[in-house]
Amino acid sequence: NAGVTQTPKFRVLKTGQSMTLLCAQDMNHEYMYWYRQDPGMGLRLIHYSVGEGTTAKGEVPDGYNVSRLKKQNFLLGLESAAPSQTSVYFCASSNLFRGESYNEQFFGPGTRLTVL
Amino acid sequence: DQQVKQNSPSLSVQEGRISILNCDYTNSMFDYFLWYKKYPAEGPTFLISISSIKDKNEDGRFTVFLNKSAKHLSLHIVPSQPGDSAVYFCAASDNSGRGGADGLTFGKGTHLIIQP
Repeated sequence: NAGVTQTPKFRVLKTGQSMTLLCAQDMNHEYMYWYRQDPGMGLRLIHYSVGEGTTAKGEVPDGYNVSRLKKQNFLLGLESAAPSQTSVYFCASSNLFRGESYNEQFFGPGTRLTVL
Repeated sequence: DQQVKQNSPSLSVQEGRISILNCDYTNSMFDYFLWYKKYPAEGPTFLISISSIKDKNEDGRFTVFLNKSAKHLSLHIVPSQPGDSAVYFCAASDNSGRGGADGLTFGKGTHLIIQP
């Protein structure tokens, strides 16, 4: 099992450009999440999905859109990138229960995005 | 307003000694808590968790203690090993509404350095 994979690993954009980050999981998890991590900060939730075809806003959703057309994939889009979106983006997935653990989320390796 | 606080950005401990990482929270609706470990250029990995109905959970060298009245939890690592050097994130979830699917709220992390 590959777990959670993210594409691409690195990207540099110019202000105003658009891009899509792809997250894929092979664990048949229902729930998927996009977080961003900035220096000196914890992870902040951007958007999440509780199942195929559903999405919801997290703590910092502005400037991002998401889609979950297939259960295993969760896409994060930036329509018009801004320097404030320079960050490391992590995707995660989970089922609510795993053994005795609740909402244990499995994370991908991250995408480092720089917006100039 | 930060709902999960890790007030020590870094902590240095000698190999073989006990490492104690602290976390405070303000949201009384949080009822499940998790610790994640993160190495540079990797995604966070789940370490240990605790439900609010418990005050202690142990897994090998790792023990998490929860003091609900003080809204405080701590992670104890004993004995500390060089491979424990990483950033540790405290995270919390409120499972009263949508059953915990709404994602996790993270602290800013504590960088643990194990000295040989």
